[in-house]
Amino acid sequence: QKEVEQNSGPLSVPEGAIASLNCTYSDRGSQSFFWYRQYSGKSPELIMFIYSNGDKEDGRFTAQLNKASQYVSLLIRDSQPSDSATYLCAVQWGNKLVFGAGTILRVKS
Amino acid sequence: DTAVSQTPKYLVTQMGNDKSIKCEQNLGHDTMYWYKQDSKKFLKIMFSYNNKELIINETVPNRFSPKSPDKAHLNLHINSLELGDSAVYFCASSQDYEVETQYFGPGTRLLVL
Repeated sequence: QKEVEQNSGPLSVPEGAIASLNCTYSDRGSQSFFWYRQYSGKSPELIMFIYSNGDKEDGRFTAQLNKASQYVSLLIRDSQPSDSATYLCAVQWGNKLVFGAGTILRVKS
Repeated sequence: DTAVSQTPKYLVTQMGNDKSIKCEQNLGHDTMYWYKQDSKKFLKIMFSYNNKELIINETVPNRFSPKSPDKAHLNLHINSLELGDSAVYFCASSQDYEVETQYFGPGTRLLVL
């Protein structure tokens, strides 16, 4: 059984702070990892993907991958109220994505 | 232009009814998917088609039957609806199996009474 675990939250951070979202996965064979953002009542949208160990930065977002620990994280710098959403971690196994249940992030102004 | 569209947006129906949801993408993608997101926001893949061929068929009751008339369309027919079928159903598409190109439709909110 392929599993992806996330803390459901909510994670509350003040505006301007760094939000840290974490995800663990069960199968060492997975190669590709994705972070989606989902606003309430909307569809998921891809914000980052990472394949290699280490960090990958895109604007205010940094994805971190540690395959040995089976751990992937998303850092959001200078958090804004508009970042308030559910963040879904997804892991690719074969041709399909397996999603975690998501972490609710609330950024307070 | 809408990249991935779904109809209807909302669907309220009685237990035991049969209903269909339609999906169309204009991205020129080869692969289309159906996902179910339950009340706890857990998003799970149901089916995937590549060039009209069924590729992924997860453990889903056989009351659910997908159909892809062409690679731009993927429909989902549900027979004998049950209360537990209430969820948001998302269609998505991608270029082949390049998940990083996967784009979700707006979702169909199904409520079974």
